[in-house]
Amino acid sequence: GQQVMQIPQYQHVQEGEDFTTYCNSSTTLSNIQWYKQRPGGHPVFLIQLVKSGEVKKQKRLTFQFGEAKKNSSLHITATQTTDVGTYFCAGGAAGNKLTFGGGTRVLVKP
Amino acid sequence: DGGITQSPKYLFRKEGQNVTLSCEQNLNHDAMYWYRQDPGQGLRLIYYSQIVNDFQKGDIAEGYSVSREKKESFPLTVTSAQKNPTAFYLCASSIIHRGTPGAQFFGPGTRLTVL
Repeated sequence: GQQVMQIPQYQHVQEGEDFTTYCNSSTTLSNIQWYKQRPGGHPVFLIQLVKSGEVKKQKRLTFQFGEAKKNSSLHITATQTTDVGTYFCAGGAAGNKLTFGGGTRVLVKP
Repeated sequence: DGGITQSPKYLFRKEGQNVTLSCEQNLNHDAMYWYRQDPGQGLRLIYYSQIVNDFQKGDIAEGYSVSREKKESFPLTVTSAQKNPTAFYLCASSIIHRGTPGAQFFGPGTRLTVL
């Protein structure tokens, strides 16, 4: 079945630095979604990418969908303590269900 | 306020007992989903439903059952057949696009502990 992998599993970032987390699917996706889960909370939808090569920005967050629609990335610039949490990508395929990656847990050092 | 609710937030049960987790949404979403999350892990799909009176198994359906008698409600029963039921259970809902999953809105979750 479809598998979605995320790397790295953990990301320790100095406040103010940039970092990128990557998402790779074993199959071609219809879309890719990104979610953020704060410690002790529930996942919150951030964004959806549908088109091949699509790039979207939300303030300090930049999301990209690969040309082959099998991978995606999330880049955060000037990391802040509010960025702490786990970022999940989720790949969409036929059948209206998502396959979630394992997540990247982000810790920010002040 | 529109949203998705789950109750209770924490639930304790003895081994061998069935337990039902509640999930209600007033977003008028057609699709509803149940996920299981273990500590430090991602989300695994248990069951999902795209329309009333119909549902499909996800990746880890064994030991669970669901019903979808109303559009707003999608309760999950964790049966005694589930070998490791202690986990964080998340319910979500979304609109349905043509062949493309829409953004999912999650409830606050239920932390189930089986003693």
